[in-house]
Amino acid sequence: AQKITQTQPGMFVQEKEAVTLDCTYDTSDPSYGLFWYKQPSSGEMIFLIYQGSYDQQNATEGRYSLNFQKARKSANLVISASQLGDSAMYFCAMRRGETSGSRLTFGEGTQLTVNP
Amino acid sequence: NAGVTQTPKFQVLKTGQSMTLQCAQDMNHEYMSWYRQDPGMGLRLIHYSVGAGITDQGEVPNGYNVSRSTTEDFPLRLLSAAPSQTSVYFCASRLLVGHTIYFGEGSWLTVV
Repeated sequence: AQKITQTQPGMFVQEKEAVTLDCTYDTSDPSYGLFWYKQPSSGEMIFLIYQGSYDQQNATEGRYSLNFQKARKSANLVISASQLGDSAMYFCAMRRGETSGSRLTFGEGTQLTVNP
Repeated sequence: NAGVTQTPKFQVLKTGQSMTLQCAQDMNHEYMSWYRQDPGMGLRLIHYSVGAGITDQGEVPNGYNVSRSTTEDFPLRLLSAAPSQTSVYFCASRLLVGHTIYFGEGSWLTVV
């Protein structure tokens, strides 16, 4: 069975500083995809970044980067230069292989608060 | 481009009532799925579909039915609502090729 673990229920960071949100996963599938989503208080799910299990390099999207350590089964999200608008709930999620469509397994989330 | 559209956005039901949450996408995505999100938790998969005429159960399917008669639409039916089904419901879709998964804006359902 697949499992995503986010061990930080809440995180605080000062504006303009970097923050790392932790995510570990458990799967026996050789092929999988890892996602990070942001959920602001308005409730929508906003896609941030994706990492495929066979990708050699860590994914980056603007201020977001994914620190992928396959042997440790971790996929931490790094947000550089935090902004007040980054305050939200962040979810790590995993998809099995390429045939699982939009079936994702989610972690329980980390509530990030950016302080001015 | 409307993306993934869910209706209604808010709904209050009485225990035992039935209703359908609508989900439509205009991106010709093969894959569609329904999730529920309970307070303080991540999303959990209810049902999914890999194409018109094909559906399957996810992690928490009990109390819900789905159908996929067209590529565009994937309605979620609650046959006899229970308070335990009070949740936020998200519809999601994806192309066969590529990894980006698109979510609707969510439907807030309260069963009293």
